[in-house]
Amino acid sequence: SQTIHQWPATLVQPVGSPLSLECTVEGTSNPNLYWYRQAAGRGLQLLFYSVGIGQISSEVPQNLSASRPQDRQFILSSKKLLLSDSGFYLCAWSLSGTGYDEQFFGPGTRLTVL
Amino acid sequence: GNSVTQMEGPVTLSEEAFLTINCTYTATGYPSLFWYVQYPGEGLQLLLKATKADDKGSNKGFEATYRKETTSFHLEKGSVQVSDSAVYFCALKYNTNAGKSTFGDGTTLTVKP
Repeated sequence: SQTIHQWPATLVQPVGSPLSLECTVEGTSNPNLYWYRQAAGRGLQLLFYSVGIGQISSEVPQNLSASRPQDRQFILSSKKLLLSDSGFYLCAWSLSGTGYDEQFFGPGTRLTVL
Repeated sequence: GNSVTQMEGPVTLSEEAFLTINCTYTATGYPSLFWYVQYPGEGLQLLLKATKADDKGSNKGFEATYRKETTSFHLEKGSVQVSDSAVYFCALKYNTNAGKSTFGDGTTLTVKP
């Protein structure tokens, strides 16, 4: 069966510090991968998605970046965090080539920028 | 562009009450429709889905019917439990654009004993 992991689960970082969040998927190959941010009490904002290794599409201009160094690994980064980067970050995957299927979400990372 | 509009929350019900959470969408063609549920501090998980008009998705006592004529996918449950307290998201997805989904803003449901 497929599983998706995210770490860390929680993170408290000072403004201006770097960020690296990691997501890995097990049990499937060549998945579509997604990063979302969920602000407190709000809906989901799609940040990045990837259809293959090294292929990253950005949905919202910001000071975040994403990379996909391996087929089932998706990393969200920032060189200098802003207060507005605080939120709940969710990684998700879906099967490639079958766009009607659902997305599977990881447990999330709670980021607080102070 | 595509959009999903959900009934605004929060919604508070007593145990065993009937639940309806409205969801309407704006889209061209024939997207798939989904309801996801998010329990506190967790990621989203699929509750049910429907892939074509008039399909009914169902799971754990929840149901939703894909109504193309009214562009709606309302979530219903006949008798809610305290354990149903969560945030519910309606979403649509096409077989294009790398499978990106469009989500509603979520509706928070609280069920009191």
